[in-house]
Amino acid sequence: AQSVSQHNHHVILSEAASLELGCNYSYGGTVNLFWYVQYPGQHLQLLLKYFSGDPLVKGIKGFEAEFIKSKFSFNLRKPSVQWSDTAEYFCAVRKLSFGAGTTVTVRA
Amino acid sequence: KAGVTQTPRYLIKTRGQQVTLSCSPISGHRSVSWYQQTPGQGLQFLFEYFSETQRNKGNFPGRFSGRQFSNSRSEMNVSTLELGDSALYLCASSFHRYYEQYFGPGTRLTVT
Repeated sequence: AQSVSQHNHHVILSEAASLELGCNYSYGGTVNLFWYVQYPGQHLQLLLKYFSGDPLVKGIKGFEAEFIKSKFSFNLRKPSVQWSDTAEYFCAVRKLSFGAGTTVTVRA
Repeated sequence: KAGVTQTPRYLIKTRGQQVTLSCSPISGHRSVSWYQQTPGQGLQFLFEYFSETQRNKGNFPGRFSGRQFSNSRSEMNVSTLELGDSALYLCASSFHRYYEQYFGPGTRLTVT
């Protein structure tokens, strides 16, 4: 069975700090990997995706993620967070498995 | 393009009743998936429909069912509601089965 594990349940940061959210998955087939974000009061929306090719993918709002096949990981990063990055972040493998989510709180 | 729409947005039901939730995907999208979202559990996959056929089903009891119509609109039904069914039910659509998904606002179901 496939599963997705997000390492952190809640992360609290100050503005301008760097952010890294861990995501590990277990799935034996071809993986389509996604990070979705849910801002307060808004719908879930796509942050970035990886299907194949360059393992370092860039998404919206300065986010990027790195696919490391040998580690079954797809970690999300942002060099300098803003208050507006306060949200819940979900890692997903295909559409069948989502992580439990990481709540990120950025303090001004 | 209009986004994914879900109706109703809020629903209160009593244990033992049944409920039907509706989802209209983005125009041109043929794949519709449903999820149950609860605090601490994240998104649990319910089922996926593509071209009116169920393609995948999550680990939920048979009380949860769904269908997709020829216009790609989808409904999900929960029979014999239990307190534990209280959750936000999300619908998502995609152009193709393996593409990124676009989520609706969800239907907040409360079972009393």
